[in-house]
Amino acid sequence: GAGVSQSPRYKVAKRGQDVALRCDPISGHVSLFWYQQALGQGPEFLTYFQNEAQLDKSGLPSDRFFAERPEGSVSTLKIQRTQQEDSAVYLCASSRGFSDQPQHFGDGTRLSIL
Amino acid sequence: ELKVEQNPLFLSMQEGKNYTIYCNYSTTSDRLYWYRQDPGKSLESLFVLLSNGAVKQEGRLMASLDTKARLSTLHITAAVHDLSATYFCAARNTDKLIFGTGTRLQVFP
Repeated sequence: GAGVSQSPRYKVAKRGQDVALRCDPISGHVSLFWYQQALGQGPEFLTYFQNEAQLDKSGLPSDRFFAERPEGSVSTLKIQRTQQEDSAVYLCASSRGFSDQPQHFGDGTRLSIL
Repeated sequence: ELKVEQNPLFLSMQEGKNYTIYCNYSTTSDRLYWYRQDPGKSLESLFVLLSNGAVKQEGRLMASLDTKARLSTLHITAAVHDLSATYFCAARNTDKLIFGTGTRLQVFP
């Protein structure tokens, strides 16, 4: 398909485990964003890449969160030593990089920490 | 720090009626976005508003932007059940989007 693809759609992990969430952006989109959406809330910014460069990681809640986009395409969001408060939907978005264009969102990964 | 507030948070409206959702933001932002989210689904882009006085319309939805008042509105005309969803506005801060808490709209017969 032509949209942003995220996997897995659902992830259940035990507290303390590490998880990795994948995002495959729309082809040709240079900008990639990660957001965290808690139940009943709006998405909150985590981090932003332009090509392979991570230009803003101010929204990452702790040093347990790490994101990479080594070849400027697919991105992975990794959470180490998961905690219950990490339970949320993690949304990935991509855009061409021009502000007059919207960010296109994937379906998200719903993460549940037991 | 840019903050975005929407009201109302919940809106229950009858089919055929009109209503407006309001989006206020706290500091200067040069772009305002509206998204729709259905339960369990991702966000669908509705409008990108680029400048003061911008107005965009798609079907029964019309969005406007007043940068001086730091206010955007989403007006719903003659609501139909298919419009039931959560609507988010978002203001741009450098490259990231700052979202409001959303307005959950329910349209009933």
